[in-house]
Formats: sequence, C-alpha cells, structure tokens
Amino acid sequence: QVQLQESGPGLVKPSETLSLTCSVSGGSVRSYYWSWIRQPPGKGLEWIGSIYYIGMTDYNPSLKSRVTMSVDTSRNQISLILTSVTAADTAVYYCARVVGAAHPLDYWGQGTLVTVSP
Amino acid sequence: DIVMTQSPYSLAVSLGETATINCKSSQSLLYNSNNLNYLAWYQQKPGQPPKLIIYRASTRESGVPDRFSGSGSGADFTLTISSLQTEDVAIYYCQQYYSTPHTFGQGTKLEI
Repeated sequence: QVQLQESGPGLVKPSETLSLTCSVSGGSVRSYYWSWIRQPPGKGLEWIGSIYYIGMTDYNPSLKSRVTMSVDTSRNQISLILTSVTAADTAVYYCARVVGAAHPLDYWGQGTLVTVSP
Repeated sequence: DIVMTQSPYSLAVSLGETATINCKSSQSLLYNSNNLNYLAWYQQKPGQPPKLIIYRASTRESGVPDRFSGSGSGADFTLTISSLQTEDVAIYYCQQYYSTPHTFGQGTKLEI
C-alpha cells in the first residue's frame, strides 16, 4: 500500500520561502506523476502543479512564477518550493500520486498545514 | 482554465435516501479519441485528505461501495449516492483532469 507523508515548517514568515517534502513509502516514485494540491482553511482545493519522476513539470499559471517542484528518486521524495509567500498561501498542502498524464489523484498524503504569519 | 461548477452548495438527505450532486464544466471533458470523460469525484471527511471515489466520470475506484455511482458526459456530470449512510457525511468535489490546471469544483457539503 503506497503511503505519502508531507513534512516541513508549519510556520513561514511573509515574503519568505515555503519548502515542503513528500516522502513516499510502499512504492517507488519512478514511473508516476506527483501532484501538489492545497486547501486554505475551510475552503476548496487548488491544484498547484505536477511533476513526472524524470523531472517534467506542469504548474498552475496562477502560481507558476513562484513554484518549483522536484523529485529525488534516491530518497523516494518529492519537493515543493513556493517563494515570496503571503497570508493567502496559508493552507493545508497535500501531495498526491497520479498514475499517468490523464489520470486522477489516486493516493493522497494526510496533508500539512502551513501558516504564513509574522 | 476550465471552470467547474457544482450544485447544490450543500444538501441534507435522510438516511437510506438518495443524494444527487451535479457538476458542470465550462468545456467538454470528453476525449474523443478514446471516448473517455476526464472527470473525477472525491470525498473529503473532516480532518482527512480527499479520497478518490469515481474516475472517468463513472468508474468506481476499488473498494468504493456500489452505492456510489457517477454519470454524465461532455460537460454535465452527476454523483449519486443511494441508500445514504451516516459515514457518507462529507464534502464532495468534482475535478477535471482533461487539461491543466486540473481544476476542482467548489465542493458540495452532504449532511444527514
């Protein structure tokens, strides 16, 4: 059974950089796409972007200038970097697996809350 | 971006009855070369991540009870939950994965 676990600082100051890691167990990051999705408290879901295990990325245009995703196959991890954060970036951040380019999100991590505050 | 619009925003259904949630997309999600609709439904319970329950508009994910069914094609889709159980209380989201960014509906809160 594939399991995903997000980790990273729970508090980030405005204008600084948010950095999260998604650790995958029970399976390999190879041969899959991996997505990041976020959910502000009490609100809906926003697709941040996705990355294929060889490094091809596809970002939401609304965040593209601030987002970088990467895959570390040796550590079986996916990373998310979001720069110049503001209070609007406060959300639960989820990583999720995608079987293929035109497939849904079939396995999700539990999510990690990131608060942007001084 | 493809805009996904769900209705209703919330609904209350009695135990054992049927709940119907609608989802409309601003453009067709039907991929003509394979006749598949790139539309998924997720269930999110409080404090939990979303869970995939339906994909390709009408295919149930493994382990999902057959009380859950999806229908529709093109730009109009429906999630039907029959014989409602207490464990079905959740927020339900539709999502298109036809083109990026993969957008979600705003969610429908289902209560007993």
